[in-house]
Amino acid sequence: RKEVEQDPGPFNVPEGATVAFNCTYSNSASQSFFWYRQDCRKEPKLLMSVYSSGNEDGRFTAQLNRASQYISLLIRDSKLSDSATYLCVVNPIQGAQKLVFGQGTRLTINP
Amino acid sequence: DTGVSQDPRHKITKRGQNVTFRCDPISEHNRLYWYRQTLGQGPEFLTYFQNEAQLEKSRLLSDRFSAERPKGSFSTLEIQRTEQGDSAMYLCASSSRRTSGGTEQFFGPGTRLTVL
Repeated sequence: RKEVEQDPGPFNVPEGATVAFNCTYSNSASQSFFWYRQDCRKEPKLLMSVYSSGNEDGRFTAQLNRASQYISLLIRDSKLSDSATYLCVVNPIQGAQKLVFGQGTRLTINP
Repeated sequence: DTGVSQDPRHKITKRGQNVTFRCDPISEHNRLYWYRQTLGQGPEFLTYFQNEAQLEKSRLLSDRFSAERPKGSFSTLEIQRTEQGDSAMYLCASSSRRTSGGTEQFFGPGTRLTVL
């Protein structure tokens, strides 16, 4: 079983739609959680950290369910510029520095 | 541009040759990471340096791979006797404990390696 699992998609949605991505992780002791965004042929960039209480940044909302080992990302009022691959990322071990990435979910927003 | 830089951006080599990649982190960042990414997959952790000390190594880092960060600034990743399976994007990232508690890693543009 992969440490971080995501539906690879692709997701094709019309501009303005709401889209949700989910991710599960296998290590219950995991400490930190993130969503990174990766544009085609570019490097990953941090989109947002994910906190137990849930957090929102503009049109983006991230949720963490530690009991179910589940992370979600919701994008409201999607824009063409949201087209990218969204990577679910976990720091599995306290004090360790490595990040474990999911496969990524590819999103295309259509005009 | 004060971001992470990597050189070269592209490298094509023949099987069995040695290759070396360089990473220059953001100047005030003391932590440096190497990852490998293949098509359709997320990045996979290879190794981590804090200053000049190599503190973590993945089992993916076979004995053909070696990484150094001699003065705690730039880092090099060498692959000896390259194999076709080494073809991938090699990403470098850096972070600082003083930036977001060290949780955000800033990635460079990567070196794309093709082994023929």
